[in-house]
Amino acid sequence: DARVTQTPRHKVTEMGQEVTMRCQPILGHNTVFWYRQTMMQGLELLAYFRNRAPLDDSGMPKDRFSAEMPDATLATLKIQPSEPRDSAVYFCASGLTGEYQPQHFGDGTRLSIL
Amino acid sequence: KQEVTQIPAALSVPEGENLVLNCSFTDSAIYNLQWFRQDPGKGLTSLLLIQSSQREQTSGRLNASLDKSSGRSTLYIAASQPGDSATYLCAVRREGANNLFFGTGTRLTVIP
Repeated sequence: DARVTQTPRHKVTEMGQEVTMRCQPILGHNTVFWYRQTMMQGLELLAYFRNRAPLDDSGMPKDRFSAEMPDATLATLKIQPSEPRDSAVYFCASGLTGEYQPQHFGDGTRLSIL
Repeated sequence: KQEVTQIPAALSVPEGENLVLNCSFTDSAIYNLQWFRQDPGKGLTSLLLIQSSQREQTSGRLNASLDKSSGRSTLYIAASQPGDSATYLCAVRREGANNLFFGTGTRLTVIP
């Protein structure tokens, strides 16, 4: 089965450090989403790409977060500088354009900022 | 703003029982509703997707229904097994939006 692949699976780092999370969407999928999961807020959208173009990043703190798709096989989410409140699980999902298409999720990156 | 609620937050049942998980959403203008399963430390596995024009979808022991006008969906699990223990999340895609709006989940424990 095709899968969304995320790296790293776990990341522990100190406050102020730069964090980069990577996602390889399912081959052929043209939409990519970044979600964040916390105990308090549940799952929330951070950013959305279609055909590698960012269409919605309203859920992302702009001053420290950035999301890019250098090519169709790689999406990145970067935090600089990181803060303890960024500790969460970050999920990447991919899918096909269309109102009735499902989203497929990776296993997530569990991030802890000390 | 779309709000998605799942009740109960946690549920324990003995093995073999049939059970129903509930999901409600405030904005009925949706494209689809998806049920996911999440195991501890893992990602989300899509179980069923119901289009807005559909009333139900079935996959094995799982049956999901959708009543769009009342903003409700249920996930029915027949003959539950310990392997069904996980957190179940429902998510809706609102018309005009690209992302999913998630409920907070129901943590299911099936006791052997």
